[in-house]
Amino acid sequence: QKEVEQDPGPLSVPEGAIVSLNCTYSNSAFQYFMWYRQYSRKGPELLMYTYSSGNKEDGRFTAQVDKSSKYISLFIRDSQPSDSATYLCAMSSLIQGAQKLVFGQGTRLTINP
Amino acid sequence: EPEVTQTPSHQVTQMGQEVILRCVPISNHLYFYWYRQILGQKVEFLVSFYNNEISEKSEIFDDQFSVERPDGSNFTLKIRSTKLEDSAMYFCASSEWASKLFGPGTRLTVL
Repeated sequence: QKEVEQDPGPLSVPEGAIVSLNCTYSNSAFQYFMWYRQYSRKGPELLMYTYSSGNKEDGRFTAQVDKSSKYISLFIRDSQPSDSATYLCAMSSLIQGAQKLVFGQGTRLTINP
Repeated sequence: EPEVTQTPSHQVTQMGQEVILRCVPISNHLYFYWYRQILGQKVEFLVSFYNNEISEKSEIFDDQFSVERPDGSNFTLKIRSTKLEDSAMYFCASSEWASKLFGPGTRLTVL
């Protein structure tokens, strides 16, 4: 079983739709969860991070973590064409700076005008 | 807003040659990393660096790879003898604590 699994898509939705992106993981030691956005041939851009279980909201973005199910989600409300990108989930085992991130495959998202 | 910068943006080299990829992390960050992404694949951890020494390295980071922080600002990744399979995007990242910020990457092409 892969440590982090993410549906690679592609996912295509109309502008204004609510988008749900998800990852599952197998390592119960993961406690720190991040979502990155990556445009083609660019570096990952940090969108949101959460610690342990719960929800976090930032503008149109909401991150959810369910540690009991080993399942994390990113919701995008009122999606815009500029949200078209690949979304990467990433996680680490401890809140320590030197802990490595383990990434999902990334989900390619297209928002159609 | 402070950013991680990387040079060059694209490096083409012949198999067996040495390459050095350079990064300038964010100035008040303490932890530094290299990751790579082969085209179409996931981002993979290579190495983390803290307090002037390697904290952790992956299986990918073999004897052909080395990292250095030669001065107070630069962080470098050296590949001694490049192989075709080293062709990838190489990302530098830095963090003050847990949130890791990534640079734009160096695209390495080994011919």
